[in-house]
Amino acid sequence: SAVISQKPSRDICQRGTSLTIQCQVDSQVTMMFWYRQQPGQSLTLIATANQGSEATYESGFVIDKFPISRPNLTFSTLTVSNMSPEDSSIYLCSVSNRLTDTQYFGPGTRLTVL
Amino acid sequence: DAKTTQPPSMDCAEGRAANLPCNHSTISGNEYVYWYRQIHSQGPQYIIHGLKNNETNEMASLIITEDRKSSTLILPHATLRDTAVYYCIVRVEYGTASKLTFGTGTRLQVTL
Repeated sequence: SAVISQKPSRDICQRGTSLTIQCQVDSQVTMMFWYRQQPGQSLTLIATANQGSEATYESGFVIDKFPISRPNLTFSTLTVSNMSPEDSSIYLCSVSNRLTDTQYFGPGTRLTVL
Repeated sequence: DAKTTQPPSMDCAEGRAANLPCNHSTISGNEYVYWYRQIHSQGPQYIIHGLKNNETNEMASLIITEDRKSSTLILPHATLRDTAVYYCIVRVEYGTASKLTFGTGTRLQVTL
């Protein structure tokens, strides 16, 4: 499986600011996804990061709040914009070679918003 | 995707087999059963998946009943490092419906 890294691993931010999270894979992958895990909850898919086109967002998530970039087949970023304490979560990226293949997850970014 | 039902928590003594059940009574014929685990807020780790035959790898065994309405993940010799939340997910392997939908999982506590 691919080796996936995320930066930062954790951060503490002030409300109203934005944070960009990076996801780097050590090999080219077709699919990259972003998930959110709120405290004590399970994982929820935010969006699919598409290379060369706009991300595909799940219901309840919008581009203005969670803009995503995917400049190539090994890298993606997720920005959490205009943060509030409710955005405090672990944000995870995952990858697969095809939409239907097994997904592998990065270590996550733990975000706390004060 | 079919919904899964798992017990919220289980205990297992170290060295013993951990048997984690999952009910997926509404599973469709083209849906696979996947298992992931998450150790203390790390990223989920893929364990195993199967369609209808039993599967085994270096981490675990997956036993799927003949009617496919339930399955059991078996960790043959549990260690303290297997303490985690285990997620059972059913998933089609085509189209946009193949996205993973995580439930609440089973919190496995392995004790001395």
